[in-house]
Amino acid sequence: GQQVQQSPASLVLQEGENAELQCNFSSTATQLQWFYQSPGGSLVSLLSNPSGTKHTGRLTSTTVTKERRSSLHISSSQTTDSGTYLCAIDRGVVGQLTFGRGTRLQVYA
Amino acid sequence: AQTIHQWPVAEIKAVGSPLSLGCTIKGKSSPNLYWYWQATGGTLQQLFYSITVGQVESVVQLNLSASRPKDDQFILSTEKLLLSHSGFYLCAWSLSGDERLFFGHGTKLSVL
Repeated sequence: GQQVQQSPASLVLQEGENAELQCNFSSTATQLQWFYQSPGGSLVSLLSNPSGTKHTGRLTSTTVTKERRSSLHISSSQTTDSGTYLCAIDRGVVGQLTFGRGTRLQVYA
Repeated sequence: AQTIHQWPVAEIKAVGSPLSLGCTIKGKSSPNLYWYWQATGGTLQQLFYSITVGQVESVVQLNLSASRPKDDQFILSTEKLLLSHSGFYLCAWSLSGDERLFFGHGTKLSVL
C-alpha cells in the first residue's frame, strides 16, 4: 500500500530560524496536504499542494510529483509553530488520506 | 461559529463497556464525513467515511461501527470496548470537488 515517510522525526529550533520538513511517498498521489497537529491533538490544514510550489504566510511547500516528494519550509519560526507537522496523500478514494508519522517541531525562545 | 463539533472531549471507559462518539457539522450541505483514529504515538488512520445520509463505508476493521443518521451527524460506536481502542478520535468533513479536509478537535479515549 501507499506509504508516507517524513523526515526528520523531530526538529528543535531557536526562534527565528528556518525549518525544512520533508515528505516522501511510495506511489503517485493526486493530492498532497500538509497539516499541523497541535500538542492537544487537533488538526489544521496548512496547504494542499499536489505539485509545484505554494506559499501561504511563512509557509512554502514544494512538491515534485515525478520524484514523489514534497517539502514544507517554515521561515522565521516562532514558538507558536511548535507541534507536529503531518504530510498526507490521497488514496484515490474520497477523502482517504494516508498520513505520515509527522515531524515534531519544537521552537524555543 | 464552529463548523464541526465533536463530543465528548475525553472519555475514560472500562474494557467491555459500550462507546458512542458524536460529530456534528453546521452550515454545510451534504458534506463528506470521516472518522480517523490515532493510537498514542501512532499515525492517523481513516476508519470510516460517508458521502451521504445512511451510507457508511468501512476502511479499517477495528471492531467499531459508524452511522450517519442525519446529513449533519456522524456517530462512531461499539458495544464492547477493547484496550486497543484507546487513542485519539477525529471527525473530519470535506465538500465534493474540494480536496481539503477539515478536522474537529478530537476525542481522547482511554480504555482501562
